[in-house]
Amino acid sequence: AQSVTQPDIHITVSEGASLELRCNYSYGATPYLFWYVQSPGQGLQLLLKYFSGDTLVQGIKGFEAEFKRSQSSFNLRKPSVHWSDAAEYFCAVGAKEYGNKLVFGAGTILRVKS
Amino acid sequence: EPEVTQTPSHQVTQMGQEVILRCVPISNHLYFYWYRQILGQKVEFLVSFYNNEISEKSEIFDDQFSVERPDGSNFTLKIRSTKLEDSAMYFCASGAEPVETQYFGPGTRLLVL
Repeated sequence: AQSVTQPDIHITVSEGASLELRCNYSYGATPYLFWYVQSPGQGLQLLLKYFSGDTLVQGIKGFEAEFKRSQSSFNLRKPSVHWSDAAEYFCAVGAKEYGNKLVFGAGTILRVKS
Repeated sequence: EPEVTQTPSHQVTQMGQEVILRCVPISNHLYFYWYRQILGQKVEFLVSFYNNEISEKSEIFDDQFSVERPDGSNFTLKIRSTKLEDSAMYFCASGAEPVETQYFGPGTRLLVL
């Protein structure tokens, strides 16, 4: 079965520090990969996506992610975190072979300390 | 920038009552989805809809659930007889192509008492 693992439930970083949020997936097909962000009481906003091509993708708000097929990973990074980045981050995976649905990870809550 | 909208933002209902959650997808999108997120849990796929029919549904999407596109703009999720365990945030999403980027609405928080 398809699955997505975000091993870190909570992460706390200092403002201005770098950030890496981990995502591993198990899929029997070529995946489409996404990162979404959810602020409290808000919906899911797309940060970035990977379908094919360059394995380092740039997103909004200064985020980037790197697809590593050999590690089945799609980690999210930001070089310098801002207090407004505090939110919950979800990795999601889809594949045409498995229909239209996205499978989500459990999410990582990011706290930013000043 | 076009957005997916959902109404109501919050709904409280009694167990056994019917609820209809409404969504207006992005206007040129053809693929529509419902997901839910029980408090503290993962976002889970419920159903996908294309060309006026369900294209895929999860095990959660049992006979109590139905979806409809009653006109050219709205997409609804109906729960016929709500249960306590239906309490969750329900997200609508739409996309222009299958699987490719799905754009999510702000969600409807449903509380079943």
